[in-house]
Amino acid sequence: DSGVTQTPKHLITATGQRVTLRCSPRSGDLSVYWYQQSLDQGLQFLIQYYNGEERAKGNILERFSAQQFPDLHSELNLSSLELGDSALYFCASSVVGGVLENEQFFGPGTRLTVL
Amino acid sequence: GQQVMQIPQYQHVQEGEDFTTYCNSSTTLSNIQWYKQRPGGHPVFLIQLVKSGEVKKQKRLTFQFGEAKKNSSLHITATQTTDVGTYFCAGPSAGGTSYGKLTFGQGTILTVHP
Repeated sequence: DSGVTQTPKHLITATGQRVTLRCSPRSGDLSVYWYQQSLDQGLQFLIQYYNGEERAKGNILERFSAQQFPDLHSELNLSSLELGDSALYFCASSVVGGVLENEQFFGPGTRLTVL
Repeated sequence: GQQVMQIPQYQHVQEGEDFTTYCNSSTTLSNIQWYKQRPGGHPVFLIQLVKSGEVKKQKRLTFQFGEAKKNSSLHITATQTTDVGTYFCAGPSAGGTSYGKLTFGQGTILTVHP
């Protein structure tokens, strides 16, 4: 157990719909990252938040948005869903401090299926 | 932008054989991390290498960071079925102060046949 929680575990929805994925980082971790992993694909970085502020953006579609709340939990919102959005979405957290990157702790993921 | 490439993409071995995956970055890295993702699981941190030429061992796993800090390798001696999974390398984003963001390689999917 990494200490990072994600809900829901599975999500099945239809094209055109909107969903919200939730992540609670490890206690004390200020940084949250969202990744998308499609079948047999690597980890595609979407976005990073640090202490409530957006810190880095990856290949995140305009239909996707995220935020980090004062209690440090984060939500990833996916709208106008398409079949190609079906994937495993991971949230990770890290302390982030000092010169070197800290290891990232991954949650169990949310498997999104768009029908 | 920064690229982190891993080879091979897939590797099938017989139990007991050795396995190596290689990671190459388009830029010099301040450090490199390795993660393992079991089938159906989430990535789990294995190790971080920081120094040029650094070699670290974890039981049957040997990690190496290149002298130029642009490449790394993971070698598993005498693979076991428990080694099955995808191995990712990850390096920090190029340039500027560290913000924690990592660029992951595409991963090497290891299959071990008993």
